[in-house]
Amino acid sequence: GAGVSQSPSNKVTEKGKDVELRCDPISGHTALYWYRQSLGQGLEFLIYFQGNSAPDKSGLPSDRFSAERTGGSVSTLTIQRTQQEDSAVYLCASRPGQAYGYTFGSGTRLTVV
Amino acid sequence: GQQLNQSPQSMFIQEGEDVSMNCTSSSIFNTWLWYKQDPGEGPVLLIALYKAGELTSNGRLTAQFGITRKDSFLNISASIPSDVGIYFCAGQGSGGSNYKLTFGKGTLLTVNP
Repeated sequence: GAGVSQSPSNKVTEKGKDVELRCDPISGHTALYWYRQSLGQGLEFLIYFQGNSAPDKSGLPSDRFSAERTGGSVSTLTIQRTQQEDSAVYLCASRPGQAYGYTFGSGTRLTVV
Repeated sequence: GQQLNQSPQSMFIQEGEDVSMNCTSSSIFNTWLWYKQDPGEGPVLLIALYKAGELTSNGRLTAQFGITRKDSFLNISASIPSDVGIYFCAGQGSGGSNYKLTFGKGTLLTVNP
């Protein structure tokens, strides 16, 4: 597609439920990132995928968070047993190879009630 | 980990005024980037700086990569209402982490017409 597409744009879930957030990167972009943006905070790195290499998961805050990228394209971020502190905007970004500057999606606003 | 200190946190200015914001870091970065985020959207790249001392302009925007590689500033001249938004600085490191961006906490800009 023309840009990075994320779905859903908004998600309200009950504490303890699992959620899946989807990211469809720009076609041909080999690098894909997930960031989290909490209210009044900067963007917090979560995970990085590059081609067929092992992902860098060093930013995932707990083992309740996981992500996968199938076929080098679409990525899914899964949060299990959601907690209220998981409420944030989850942003996906992609870029071609080693080029600088990501292209971000519009994000998924997650609210855990 | 690496942290960026971005200031000011917020600014309220009149249309037509000039604006300046900056970021400092305790670590060296190889690339400095400035992003703008509109409500409900992901950040959009404004300016990328690749060399220490580099001064780059993009329309009414001017940004500089500090000589020490530990700071950067962004100036907006003759502000207009559509400049409203959150501005983020971001630094890209070197070596094994050169694919990650570290973000400041953002500067919220409000422009009064």
